[in-house]
Amino acid sequence: ILNVEQSPQSLHVQEGDSTNFTCSFPSSNFYALHWYRWETAKSPEALFVMTLNGDEKKKGRISATLNTKEGYSYLYIKGSQPEDSATYLCAPLFTNAGKSTFGDGTTLTVKP
Amino acid sequence: DGGITQSPKYLFRKEGQNVTLSCEQNLNHDAMYWYRQDPGQGLRLIYYSQIVNDFQKGDIAEGYSVSREKKESFPLTVTSAQKNPTAFYLCASSIDRGGENIQYFGAGTRLSVL
Repeated sequence: ILNVEQSPQSLHVQEGDSTNFTCSFPSSNFYALHWYRWETAKSPEALFVMTLNGDEKKKGRISATLNTKEGYSYLYIKGSQPEDSATYLCAPLFTNAGKSTFGDGTTLTVKP
Repeated sequence: DGGITQSPKYLFRKEGQNVTLSCEQNLNHDAMYWYRQDPGQGLRLIYYSQIVNDFQKGDIAEGYSVSREKKESFPLTVTSAQKNPTAFYLCASSIDRGGENIQYFGAGTRLSVL
């Protein structure tokens, strides 16, 4: 089983704070990485698909970067809002495995 | 609406009983997946299927079985051999196994042991 680590495990911020968290993964045989957002009582939904070293993706106040050489991806949220409260999962894929491996997630709570 | 339907939402299993969780998709996706989530942990892959009549074991397949007789259906059976079945189970699908193809998830089934 490939080791995918997400940190921190949980995060509590005030509305308006900017925050970021990390997904670390083995750099060899990297193929792609997905970020998902999982809100309470809902299904996980995809945020970003990242494939190239140096990739930067943005959706509103949320952005992500990718470093395939050192094996990490950062997710940034600018000006957090209560509706950003969710668990954020990363799932890298590797060329020698036909499936994603999910990290344990970072649970973000944004207090009004 | 297109999507993935899991049923039931809650399921209870007695000791020694096999139970089957349903997963149906109308997205015309080739690939389907079953994940298990335990408290404080991420999603662990149980089984996945790339095409009808074909499936592969994931990281924690012991005590589970699947079938893929139709493109739209991928039921998961939790057998009596699974000694710790209490968990939240998620089904997902994607167009295929290509790395750029995101997964779409169902609403999940929560299984508990009586």
